[in-house]
Amino acid sequence: AQSVAQPEDQVNVAEGNPLTVKCTYSVSGNPYLFWYVQYPNRGLQFLLKYITGDNLVKGSYGFEAEFNKSQTSFHLKKPSALVSDSALYFCAVRAYSGAGSYQLTFGKGTKLSVIP
Amino acid sequence: DAMVIQNPRYQVTQFGKPVTLSCSQTLNHNVMYWYQQKSSQAPKLLFHYYDKDFNNEADTPDNFQSRRPNTSFCFLDIRSPGLGDAAMYLCATSTTTSVREQYFGPGTRLTVT
Repeated sequence: AQSVAQPEDQVNVAEGNPLTVKCTYSVSGNPYLFWYVQYPNRGLQFLLKYITGDNLVKGSYGFEAEFNKSQTSFHLKKPSALVSDSALYFCAVRAYSGAGSYQLTFGKGTKLSVIP
Repeated sequence: DAMVIQNPRYQVTQFGKPVTLSCSQTLNHNVMYWYQQKSSQAPKLLFHYYDKDFNNEADTPDNFQSRRPNTSFCFLDIRSPGLGDAAMYLCATSTTTSVREQYFGPGTRLTVT
């Protein structure tokens, strides 16, 4: 079964410092990996995806993620954190759900707090 | 702007009283999903439609039903809500079942009293 793990429930970082939110994956075949962000009482917003190609993927709001096949990781990064980046971040993997259909399987989420 | 709209944003219902949540989209996507998200947890897929083809997750309770009368609209019906059904319900769309990114609505927060 396809799955992702987010080992940290919460990450705290000072404003202006680099941030990393960790994600590891377990898939058979080539992974399709995603990062989403959720602000309080809102739906999920797509940040970026890895399908194939360059291991460094650039996304919205200055975020990027590095795909590492040997470590089965897909960590989310940003060079300089903003207070407005404080939110819940979900890593997700595409999983086959049968009958030609696919779905997203989400990690449990990591709460990012950026401290002014 | 093309988008996914959910109504209402907040819904309060009584224990056992049927409730319907609504989702509409202007993206013309052929796949629509319903997720349940409990507090600070990952979204859990309940079911999805590929056009009119309905796909139910194996562990989705029978209490949850869905209708998709046309491409733009999809409804989630909870026939007899229990206290454990209080959650955020998220609607999402995508272009094909191969799932590139999904586009989410803002969610409906359901409270059961």
